[in-house]
Amino acid sequence: GQSLEQPSEVTAVEGAIVQINCTYQTSGFYGLSWYQQHDGGAPTFLSYNALDGLEETGRFSSFLSRSDSYGYLLLQELQMKDSASYFCAVGNTGRRALTFGSGTRLQVQP
Amino acid sequence: GAVVSQHPSRVICKSGTSVKIECRSLDFQATTMFWYRQFPKKSLMLMATSNEGSKATYEQGVEKDKFLINHASLTLSTLTVTSAHPEDSSFYICSARDTSGRNYEQYFGPGTRLTVT
Repeated sequence: GQSLEQPSEVTAVEGAIVQINCTYQTSGFYGLSWYQQHDGGAPTFLSYNALDGLEETGRFSSFLSRSDSYGYLLLQELQMKDSASYFCAVGNTGRRALTFGSGTRLQVQP
Repeated sequence: GAVVSQHPSRVICKSGTSVKIECRSLDFQATTMFWYRQFPKKSLMLMATSNEGSKATYEQGVEKDKFLINHASLTLSTLTVTSAHPEDSSFYICSARDTSGRNYEQYFGPGTRLTVT
C-alpha cells in the first residue's frame, strides 16, 4: 500500500518562509502532488513533481527526491490567507486515485 | 481550469433514509471520478473509483451496498448513501481528472456536508 507522513501543524508569521516536509512509501511511484484546503472548502491543486528537483510556481515551490522518498512544499512571503491545511499526495502507476497524507495545518500569524 | 460541481452542498437527513449526492464535471469529460470522505481535521480517504459505464471499484472496508455509485455519463457520477446512520455524517468530496489536459491534476468538487440525525 501507500503511506505518507507530514507534520500535523506548523506556525509562522506573515512574510516568513515555511517548509512542509512529506515522506512517502509507495510502489510504482508516479508523482508527488500538493493540495491546499481551507476550512470547509475543497482541496485545490498547488504543485506536482514527477522528477527530482524543484518546481516553482509563484510564491510556492515544491521539491522531490525520489531516492529519499521525500518531498517538501516551500511557501514564501507568507500571507494570512495562506492559513490552511496542506496535503501531499502520491499517485502510482497501478492506481489512478491519489493517496493523501494526513495534512499539515499551517497557521500564519500577524 | 476544469470545474467540478457537487450537489447538494449540505444535507441533513434522518437515520434510515437515503441521500444522493451528485458530482458533475462542467467543462470536461471524465471517464473516471473519485469519491472521498473526510472527517473534521482529518485527511481525505478514498472510498471508491467511479468508472463510466462500468462498476465502481471500492476501497477495502467500504460497503458497496451502503455507498452506491453510479457513473451513467461522462460528466456525472452519483453517490447514494443508503440507510444512513449518524456515523455516516461526514464531508464527502468527489474529484475527477481531465485526461485531455494535465493528467496528474485532480479537480475537486466543493464537497457535500452530510449530517444524519
